[in-house]
Amino acid sequence: QIVLTQSPAIMSASLGERVTMTCTASSSVSSSYLHWYQQKPGSSPKLWIYSTSNLASGVPARFSGSGSGTSYSLTISSMEAEDAATYYCHQYHRSPPTWTFGGGTKLEIK
Amino acid sequence: QIQLVQSGPELKKPGETVKISCKASGYTFTNYGMNWVKQAPGKGLKWMGWINTYTGEPTYADDFKGRFAFSLETSASTAYLQINNLKNEDMATYFCARGYQYYFDYWGQGTTLTVSS
Repeated sequence: QIVLTQSPAIMSASLGERVTMTCTASSSVSSSYLHWYQQKPGSSPKLWIYSTSNLASGVPARFSGSGSGTSYSLTISSMEAEDAATYYCHQYHRSPPTWTFGGGTKLEIK
Repeated sequence: QIQLVQSGPELKKPGETVKISCKASGYTFTNYGMNWVKQAPGKGLKWMGWINTYTGEPTYADDFKGRFAFSLETSASTAYLQINNLKNEDMATYFCARGYQYYFDYWGQGTTLTVSS
């Protein structure tokens, strides 16, 4: 079973700052199978980025995703207040079909 | 519009059984699998498994084999999560999430389960 490790676990950023968080897989993951979700307190997770780099509907263009193999990242080009949330990476394993979440990165405003 | 609406909060005692529902609307229910995700208080997301809404076949993640059961009422576009012999560690918020290709595109609002004697 592939383990996803997110770092850092907690981070803070100033408004306007560039933010990058990473997701490291214990084995290689197809870029089509690596996704990101945003969750705010008291709410359900929302699909944020799918298949490494595709923004879900309504996600601001300041977000981007990249990576391949075992290393993936989510970047915010300029931090805004509404971006404070916890972000989870998520991967699909084809055989047998299973899914795994990373432990999450909590992003706070500095 | 696509919606997944879950049943309300539950308060149960250890050893009891709970059944949580997830009613889908706005799409053809049997065309997409339904996943269940656990979030313990203050913790991250944990995938519990999924049910093929076309065949009814469930698949459970390793940590959720035994006391957990997924089921369907296809005529009502509803998926269910049943947890038997409740334990303190089952206290969590449970989410249903629609599977689309290789990710989860729509989520229910969550059902909070409290287990307390």
